[in-house]
Amino acid sequence: DAGVIQSPRHEVTEMGQEVTLRCKPISGHNSLFWYRQTMMRGLELLIYFNNNVPIDDSGMPEDRFSAKMPNASFSTLKIQPSEPRDSAVYFCASSLGFGGSGNTIYFGEGSWLTVV
Amino acid sequence: KQEVTQIPAALSVPEGENLVLNCSFTDSAIYNLQWFRQDPGKGLTSLLLIQSSQREQTSGRLNASLDKSSGRSTLYIAASQPGDSATYLCAVRIPNAGKSTFGDGTTLTVKP
Repeated sequence: DAGVIQSPRHEVTEMGQEVTLRCKPISGHNSLFWYRQTMMRGLELLIYFNNNVPIDDSGMPEDRFSAKMPNASFSTLKIQPSEPRDSAVYFCASSLGFGGSGNTIYFGEGSWLTVV
Repeated sequence: KQEVTQIPAALSVPEGENLVLNCSFTDSAIYNLQWFRQDPGKGLTSLLLIQSSQREQTSGRLNASLDKSSGRSTLYIAASQPGDSATYLCAVRIPNAGKSTFGDGTTLTVKP
């Protein structure tokens, strides 16, 4: 299995530009999570989907952030407009099932975003 | 609201030593607890998952325990090696919500 695939791995962009991060979950997994990791705040859950439907987006910091999951094999996290404080590592993760006790969460390698 | 705490934030030990990493959580109503390893510049790799009905899980030199009543989990690493140097995070998955709450991690350094 290829694991959770994220792109781009690294992105440097100027303040005000739109950023789109992409994620392909593990085939067959029906829960998908977007996390953000910074030194100051650690690992934060932004949003998660179950069967392509957003379940909880309470972690999305502002209206500048949006996430979609048009099908079971693809999700995007968009930041528009981007700001320097958005600089972080953004992780996508997936798991089989929803809330089940035995469902391991698998992480991608992350998208390292720098907004200058 | 579930809160997860990992103490200490950093730990340095000589090679060969056995060690214990701690994870505590405030709400015992959990579905499972998962331990992850994160190397610098990398994503999180799952090490062990303990279901709420289990008390421990083992994989090689790693042993994770779970005591829901006290809100604690430990990750025991036997005969530590320099390659074990990484940040270890625990995550608690809550029922009926599907999401997990992560601790801030313990950064382990194993000196040769």
